[in-house]
Amino acid sequence: QVQLVESGGGVVQPGRSLRLSCAASGFPFSSYGMHWVRQAPGKGLEWVAIIWFDGSNKYYADSVKGRFTISRDNSKNTLYLQMNSLRAEDTAVYYCAKDLPNIVATIGFDHWGQGTQVTVSS
Amino acid sequence: EIVLTQSPATLALSPGERATLSCRASQSVGSDLAWYQHKPGLAPRLLIYDASNRATGIPARFSGSGSGTDFTLTISSLEPGDFAVYYCQQRFNWLFTFGPGTKVDIK
Repeated sequence: QVQLVESGGGVVQPGRSLRLSCAASGFPFSSYGMHWVRQAPGKGLEWVAIIWFDGSNKYYADSVKGRFTISRDNSKNTLYLQMNSLRAEDTAVYYCAKDLPNIVATIGFDHWGQGTQVTVSS
Repeated sequence: EIVLTQSPATLALSPGERATLSCRASQSVGSDLAWYQHKPGLAPRLLIYDASNRATGIPARFSGSGSGTDFTLTISSLEPGDFAVYYCQQRFNWLFTFGPGTKVDIK
């Protein structure tokens, strides 16, 4: 069955960096677009970034553009989120999520990890 | 950026009642809209993709409709496990946004 397991979260000071990982299994990872989504305390879901199945294209929310970088290693079935210049408002649970197949749908994240907590605080 | 507005913010209903949740986009998104259920401490769950298609394993009591700027998620008869927050989500030019959510509470 599909599994997505995030790791790498923790407490970090403002201005520092952190890299999140998402280990995927149970599906052909290299065939699917992947996303990062976050939820700040007491807030709703916020889409962060997408990377195409082959890594050829990446898109970001305005709130993280220029600070965060999404990447993937299809040989390791792993998705990454490099977060630089972290701010207090980046504090959130970060989820990785898998796209539905392109031939099936244009929008829909059909599997999600359980999330990893990132806290930005001095 | 396309902004999604969801109404009502909170919906208080009893098990067995019908729930009607609304999502409005600031400009047309065609049918590029999804709905998710989210419970505290759990991962979000995809309910509806492309505005009206139920995701795998989603019960028939959940249905989605609409296109363009106005969308509806209907839960025909609420079960105890349906009390949660529901989000709509759109895609436009490879940028995605979620609505603020509707909390379906037990009355």
